[in-house]
Amino acid sequence: SQTIHQWPATLVQPVGSPLSLECTVEGTSNPNLYWYRQAAGRGLQLLFYSVGIGQISSEVPQNLSASRPQDRQFILSSKKLLLSDSGFYLCAWSSGREKETQYFGPGTRLLVL
Amino acid sequence: AQKITQTQPGMFVQEKEAVTLDCTYDTSDPSYGLFWYKQPSSGEMIFLIYQGSYDQQNATEGRYSLNFQKARKSANLVISASQLGDSAMYFCAMREGLGGGFKTIFGAGTRLFVKA
Repeated sequence: SQTIHQWPATLVQPVGSPLSLECTVEGTSNPNLYWYRQAAGRGLQLLFYSVGIGQISSEVPQNLSASRPQDRQFILSSKKLLLSDSGFYLCAWSSGREKETQYFGPGTRLLVL
Repeated sequence: AQKITQTQPGMFVQEKEAVTLDCTYDTSDPSYGLFWYKQPSSGEMIFLIYQGSYDQQNATEGRYSLNFQKARKSANLVISASQLGDSAMYFCAMREGLGGGFKTIFGAGTRLFVKA
């Protein structure tokens, strides 16, 4: 069966510090991968998606970046965090097949102070 | 452009009663998929139900059913026999393209409170 992992689960970082959130998927190959951000009490905002190694599409301009160094690894980064980067970050994967839902990781709660 | 609208920020329902969560969408693509997810306080996103734009019948999954009205572009979630454990945030989502579509957009969500 497929599983998706995210770490860390919780992170408190000062403004201006760097960020690296990691997401890995097991039990599948060549997944579509996604990063979402959810502000408190709000819906999900798609940040990045990737259909293959090294292929990243950005949905919103911001100080975040994403990389996919391996087939089942997706990394969200920032060189300098802003207060507005606080939120709940969710990684997800999908096969891209019809009727196939996205499967979400447990998420990372990021608080920037 | 794609758009998902959930007009109910919060809903209350009595335990064992049915509740309908509203969702309307806007797309120019004739092929799309609609999803509902549940997000409890733990934060995990749980897939509930799927409806394809060409599906002739409304989707059902246990106590969940989707009232799909294509002409009105609405995809309301109906939860029958509500349980206390149904208290959570519920998100409606849409993905354009039935196969290989990559981008799923989400509504703002509806918080459901089930009263004992």
